Amino acid sequence: AQSVTQPDIHITVSEGASLELRCNYSYGATPYLFWYVQSPGQGLQLLLKYFSGDTLVQGIKGFEAEFKRSQSSFNLRKPSVHWSDAAEYFCAVGRFSGGYNKLIFGAGTRLAVHP
Amino acid sequence: EPEVTQTPSHQVTQMGQEVILRCVPISNHLYFYWYRQILGQKVEFLVSFYNNEISEKSEIFDDQFSVERPDGSNFTLKIRSTKLEDSAMYFCASSERGPRGEQYFGPGTRLTVT
Repeated sequence: AQSVTQPDIHITVSEGASLELRCNYSYGATPYLFWYVQSPGQGLQLLLKYFSGDTLVQGIKGFEAEFKRSQSSFNLRKPSVHWSDAAEYFCAVGRFSGGYNKLIFGAGTRLAVHP
Repeated sequence: EPEVTQTPSHQVTQMGQEVILRCVPISNHLYFYWYRQILGQKVEFLVSFYNNEISEKSEIFDDQFSVERPDGSNFTLKIRSTKLEDSAMYFCASSERGPRGEQYFGPGTRLTVT
């Protein structure tokens, strides 16, 4: 069965520091991979997605992620974190079935940013 | 920028009561979804809906749940007889396309069953 693991429940970084959030997936075929962010009281906003092609994908708000098939990983990175990046981040794999994507989410990583 | 909206933002109901959660997807989208997140747990898929019928439903989506697109704009989730364990945040999502369609999520409805 498909699954997504986010090993870090909570991460704290200083503003201006670099960030890497880990995501590992289990999926039999080539996965569709996503990162979403959820700020308090808000819905899930798509940061970036990977379907095929270049394994380094760029997203909004200065985020990028790298798909590594050999490691079944899709880690999210940002070179310099801003205080406004404090939020919860969810990695998801899309299971293509019958013409649409059913998203399977990881448990999320809560990011705190220190000034 | 178009967005998915959900009402109400918070619903409190007594066990055994019926609730209807409402969603207005983005207007040109064709695929609709409900997910839920029990406090402290993962976001879970409930159901997908396309062309006026359910495409897939999870094992959570039993006979107490139903979805409907009553008109051209709304997409609803009904729980017929709520249980304590239905307390969760319910998210609606929509996408323009299927396989490579990005799912846009609403802000969620927090359902509290007492």
